[in-house]
Order: sequence, then C-alpha cells, then structure tokens
Amino acid sequence: DAGVIQSPRHEVTEMGQEVTLRCKPISGHDYLFWYRQTMMRGLELLIYFNNNVPIDDSGMPEDRFSAKMPNASFSTLKIQPSEPRDSAVYFCASRPLAGTSVPEQFFGPGTRLTVL
Amino acid sequence: AQTVTQSQPEMSVQEAETVTLSCTYDTSENNYYLFWYKQPPSRQMILVIRQEAYKQQNATENRFSVNFQKAAKSFSLKISDSQLGDTAMYFCAFVVKAAGNKLTFGGGTRVLVKP
Repeated sequence: DAGVIQSPRHEVTEMGQEVTLRCKPISGHDYLFWYRQTMMRGLELLIYFNNNVPIDDSGMPEDRFSAKMPNASFSTLKIQPSEPRDSAVYFCASRPLAGTSVPEQFFGPGTRLTVL
Repeated sequence: AQTVTQSQPEMSVQEAETVTLSCTYDTSENNYYLFWYKQPPSRQMILVIRQEAYKQQNATENRFSVNFQKAAKSFSLKISDSQLGDTAMYFCAFVVKAAGNKLTFGGGTRVLVKP
C-alpha cells in the first residue's frame, strides 16, 4: 500500500493567490482528515470526512478555507485568498472504519505551505 | 474540553540509554484511546504506540513502552536503548470514542539522541 499521498510537498505562493492542496487517502479507508501544524498552535484538526461527507468543519479557521471530497480517493483543501499567516504544514490523514479496533489515523507526508 | 499536556519541550539522551517522556491529559470520558506519534525531521507522522483506556496492561512495541496510569490521567513513553534514529519530535494524542474522530495532540517533546 502506498500510504496517504499528498501533493505538492512544498508550495510557495504570494499573498492573495489561491492555493489548492491535494490528498489521496489509503484505499478502503472511510475517514479523511485535514490537519494544520504551526509552531504557535501545534497540530490542529481542520475538518474531517466520513464516506466523502464533511462531518465536522469546526476547525476551519475562516471562510477563506474550503475542503472537498468528490470521491473516496481524492480530497482537496483550498485557501482563497491566501495570507502569510496561513504558512504551515498541512497534513492529510485517513483511517478505516474502526469497529471494535483502535481508531488509528495514518498520516501523509504533509505539504509545507509558505505564503509570502 | 479535551486537553493534552507534554511538560518537557526538549530532552536529550545518550545513545543506548533510556529516556521517558511525560504526557498528561484531561477528559471526563471513560472510553478513549491514547497514542504516541513520532515526527522525525522528514516531518512524517509515524505512530509509535497505542493504548486502549480499558486495558490495564501497558502497551509495548519493541524498544517503546508506555506507563498508563488511568486514575492520574498520565501516559508516559519510555524509549529504551535509544538509537540515533529516534531523534524526533514526539507527540502524545488521544481520542474519545464518544467524540468520534477528533484526535487531540499535545505540544510535543523534542528528543535528541547523542552519539
């Protein structure tokens, strides 16, 4: 299994530009998560999906952020317009339906976003 | 609200020695899961070990073991026979079963293994 795949690995953009981060979860996983990691705030959950449906987006910082999951194998996190304070590492994670097992989340390698 | 506290921002240890990382958490729930994740310089988040709160036996994975004290809400990680490849940030996290999928992370402890 290839694991969770994220692209791009690095993104440098200018303030005001639109940024789209992409994620391919592990095949067969029912849940997909988007996290943001910064020095100041640590790891924060932004939004998560179950079977392609957004379940909890209370962590999305503001309307400039949006996430979609058009199918079971692809999700995007979009920032429009981007601001320097959005600079962070963005992680995507996925996990299977837990059932009686431990709900372990599998993380992608992250996208380092720099907004100038 | 669920919180996780890692009181040691940074720790160093000599190669082959043992180091223990502390983690405390706060929840009123009884059914939850605890995790330690490792983040090396590559920034990949790697699951090191996990513990189910209803299990009294402490989890062990090779050189990694935990000391789970449910009453004290403490979940420390012991790294035995430290290796240079253990140098990384270590994050304690937990998820309450009733809360669905919200992993709550601590602030992390940076571990430096010295040769």
